[in-house]
Amino acid sequence: DGGITQSPKYLFRKEGQNVTLSCEQNLNHDAMYWYRQDPGQGLRLIYYSQIVNDFQKGDIAEGYSVSREKKESFPLTVTSAQKNPTAFYLCASSELGNNYGYTFGSGTRLTVV
Amino acid sequence: AQSVSQHNHHVILSEAASLELGCNYSYGGTVNLFWYVQYPGQHLQLLLKYFSGDPLVKGIKGFEAEFIKSKFSFNLRKPSVQWSDTAEYFCAEEAGGYSTLTFGKGTMLLVSP
Repeated sequence: DGGITQSPKYLFRKEGQNVTLSCEQNLNHDAMYWYRQDPGQGLRLIYYSQIVNDFQKGDIAEGYSVSREKKESFPLTVTSAQKNPTAFYLCASSELGNNYGYTFGSGTRLTVV
Repeated sequence: AQSVSQHNHHVILSEAASLELGCNYSYGGTVNLFWYVQYPGQHLQLLLKYFSGDPLVKGIKGFEAEFIKSKFSFNLRKPSVQWSDTAEYFCAEEAGGYSTLTFGKGTMLLVSP
C-alpha cells in the first residue's frame, strides 16, 4: 500500500541534543511537508519541499533543519536551538498543485527531558 | 499571511444531534479549502475539499461543507452525529494553488452516546 511512514513513533531525547525524525513516502509525490502539532495550536508549518534538493522555510522554521536528497525522503532535524521541542510532529506529502489534499503520516511524538 | 479561524475549540453533542463547525479563512483570492479529521490515535484524514464549482461539497461519512465566498466561510455540517464522530476537526486553506496549507487551531468534538 502507498503511504507515508514516520519513524519512530515515540522519541525521547535529553535537552541539548539534536534529533532527526524520519519521513518516507512511496506515493511518488513531489511535495513534502513538516508540521508541528501542539494542543490548542493546530498544525503549524515548519519546512516544505516541492522538489529534490530544494526546500523552503515555513512559519516556525527556527531551530529546525531539513534535507531533500531523494524524492521519497524528507528528514527533519530538531536542533538544540529549538526552545520548545517537545511536540507531535507530522509529515505530509502531496502532488504539486495539491488537487487531492495532503496525505499525512502517523506522526512522531518527541519528548525532550 | 493567511489565517484560518475555527470558532469553537470544544463542542459536546449527544448522538443524533446536528453539527455545524465554523471556519473562516482570510485569503481574498482564489482559494482551496479543506476539512481534515483526526480520530483518537489515528492520523489526519481528508474529510472533504472545495476547489471550484458547486459551493456545497459532500465528503465521507455524511459530512458536508458550504463555501460562502462573501462571508469567507467554509462551515462543516452533519445532520446527525454518531459517537464514532468523536474526533478533532481541522479546517485548512490553500491560497492560490501551488501553495501550502494553513490550518486552523482545530475543534475537538465529543459525542456522547
